[in-house]
Amino acid sequence: RKEVEQDPGPFNVPEGATVAFNCTYSNSASQSFFWYRQDCRKEPKLLMSVYSSGNEDGRFTAQLNRASQYISLLIRDSKLSDSATYLCVVRRTMEYGNKLVFGAGTILRVKS
Amino acid sequence: EAQVTQNPRYLITVTGKKLTVTCSQNMNHEYMSWYRQDPGLGLRQIYYSMNVEVTDKGDVPEGYKVSRKEKRNFPLILESPSPNQTSLYFCASSLGGLGEAFFGQGTRLTVV
Repeated sequence: RKEVEQDPGPFNVPEGATVAFNCTYSNSASQSFFWYRQDCRKEPKLLMSVYSSGNEDGRFTAQLNRASQYISLLIRDSKLSDSATYLCVVRRTMEYGNKLVFGAGTILRVKS
Repeated sequence: EAQVTQNPRYLITVTGKKLTVTCSQNMNHEYMSWYRQDPGLGLRQIYYSMNVEVTDKGDVPEGYKVSRKEKRNFPLILESPSPNQTSLYFCASSLGGLGEAFFGQGTRLTVV
């Protein structure tokens, strides 16, 4: 079983739709959580961090449920430019530092 | 401009011919790492470095070497490339392993 699991999609949605992605992680020692965005075979870029209290950045809302080891990302009013792969990322502390573990990504396609 | 620079961006090589992919960052980050990305598997860590002269294996280190003689540079060395090392490679850096990870633009390697 992968340490970070995501539904690969693709999610095909019309412009203006609301779409939600889910992610589960298996290592309870995970300490920090993030969503990264990756455009077609380009480098991943940080979209937002995910906090226990939930956080919002414009049309994007991230939620964390530590008890269920579950992370979500909600995108409201989808735009064509939101089409990308969304990577769920967890950070956990190792003996000699920290490690980022990436999910395989969820593909979003927003269509007009 | 803060950035992580990888070279080359594209490389086609033959089995067994040693190659080096360079990575350089200008943000004075201590932590650097190498990932490979394959369809359906997401980003997997090859090696990481917590500071100069401190490196350690990630999840898929076989067939790769790294060095960290200077803070800004973290080259990835394939002593004897094989076709199963055909992949998209990303270098990343972050401040102390805790901050946002910044990625290079990627190196698409094909080994024939």
